[in-house]
Amino acid sequence: DTGVSQDPRHKITKRGQNVTFRCDPISEHNRLYWYRQTLGQGPEFLTYFQNEAQLEKSRLLSDRFSAERPKGSFSTLEIQRTEQGDSAMYLCASRHKGLAETDTQYFGPGTRLTVL
Amino acid sequence: GQNIDQPTEMTATEGAIVQINCTYQTSGFNGLFWYQQHAGEAPTFLSYNVLDGLEEKGRFSSFLSRSKGYSYLLLKELQMKDSASYLCAVRPLSGGYNKLIFGAGTRLAVHP
Repeated sequence: DTGVSQDPRHKITKRGQNVTFRCDPISEHNRLYWYRQTLGQGPEFLTYFQNEAQLEKSRLLSDRFSAERPKGSFSTLEIQRTEQGDSAMYLCASRHKGLAETDTQYFGPGTRLTVL
Repeated sequence: GQNIDQPTEMTATEGAIVQINCTYQTSGFNGLFWYQQHAGEAPTFLSYNVLDGLEEKGRFSSFLSRSKGYSYLLLKELQMKDSASYLCAVRPLSGGYNKLIFGAGTRLAVHP
């Protein structure tokens, strides 16, 4: 399977703990996106990487959230001091390095976070 | 600001045709996407429109009117497996294709 992969698929943690999620994009996709999706809502944009550079961050990404993509391949999203409001599905997507406007984002299966 | 509206739920009969509407207001426009999402799974790409008109892809078609800020997804010959959420997403003009703004999605239930 050469799609976007995410790990873990599920994470249950207690309030105040730190969690880290990993995303492996489709190979040769240099653009990588993180979204958050809560029940009954569409995905909300969190942040965007082109290669290793983080080029855009949403205001949703508070200072407890940090994302990295150190070598321009996989990415990690860390949430520090988790709160119950952080419970959501965290989706990663990647997009081809070409410039065609028709190039779409391909989503991974997501990491479902539950904060108790 | 950015606002995307879709009906919350729709029901339809197997074999029928259903139209899911989407209206949007965004700061600039650089394309509209439709995604399908089955419960607990990732969104999967269905269609893309950037110019006015109809794009057809097998049983699925998508229409765009930029002047009206309106799109629809048309599903023909409905099958039970089409029961899913359908997400309308707009790519804003700013930022060079950096993100998609999604609507809340339309949950479609197909019954026999």
